[in-house]
Amino acid sequence: GESVGLHLPTLSVQEGDNSIINCAYSNSASDYFIWYKQESGKGPQFIIDIRSNMDKRQGQRVTVLLNKTVKHLSLQIAATQPGDSAVYFCAENHITGRRALTFGSGTRLQVQP
Amino acid sequence: NAGVTQTPKFQVLKTGQSMTLQCAQDMNHEYMSWYRQDPGMGLRLIHYSVGAGITDQGEVPNGYNVSRSTTEDFPLRLLSAAPSQTSVYFCASSYSTLGGATYEQYFGPGTRLTVT
Repeated sequence: GESVGLHLPTLSVQEGDNSIINCAYSNSASDYFIWYKQESGKGPQFIIDIRSNMDKRQGQRVTVLLNKTVKHLSLQIAATQPGDSAVYFCAENHITGRRALTFGSGTRLQVQP
Repeated sequence: NAGVTQTPKFQVLKTGQSMTLQCAQDMNHEYMSWYRQDPGMGLRLIHYSVGAGITDQGEVPNGYNVSRSTTEDFPLRLLSAAPSQTSVYFCASSYSTLGGATYEQYFGPGTRLTVT
């Protein structure tokens, strides 16, 4: 069945380093992916999205890479800051499908000062 | 804009009780959905709606009902609460874009429900 999963449940990085959070998906029909950040006690917050016709998209300090061949995407955070500490989820959907996302289980990013 | 609002923030129920979780958005979004999040897990879709008067089931719909009488509101009803429904519930909405710009979903702050 469909699944969106993450390789590492917890990632610890030093402040100022770059962070890379990985996500694998199993549904080859998925054509739209989003990364969300969730801080403790809050709802998920949109970070960046990417469509399957792209392999890279950049935002402010963040880059998402999509490798459709191996059904893998990653979120890169440059110069990680303490405020980046949170749980990060990848989610997928079909452009023509229902407007509701399938979420992975999340990776906790811990930024050490 | 207030965005997506949810009430209550916290709720404790006894097994067998019923209640309604409220969700409202003021962004004129067509699409709304309900998710539950259990400890250490991602969000799982309960029900969703593509517009007023239209609802459909998600991954885990059993024990929950929804209705969508207006664009703004999308309440979630627990028919007979069970301990397995202890979770954090998130409501989300997204806009419709012809040509498919983005499908970003905006999430509410969540309702933390405990069933004893």
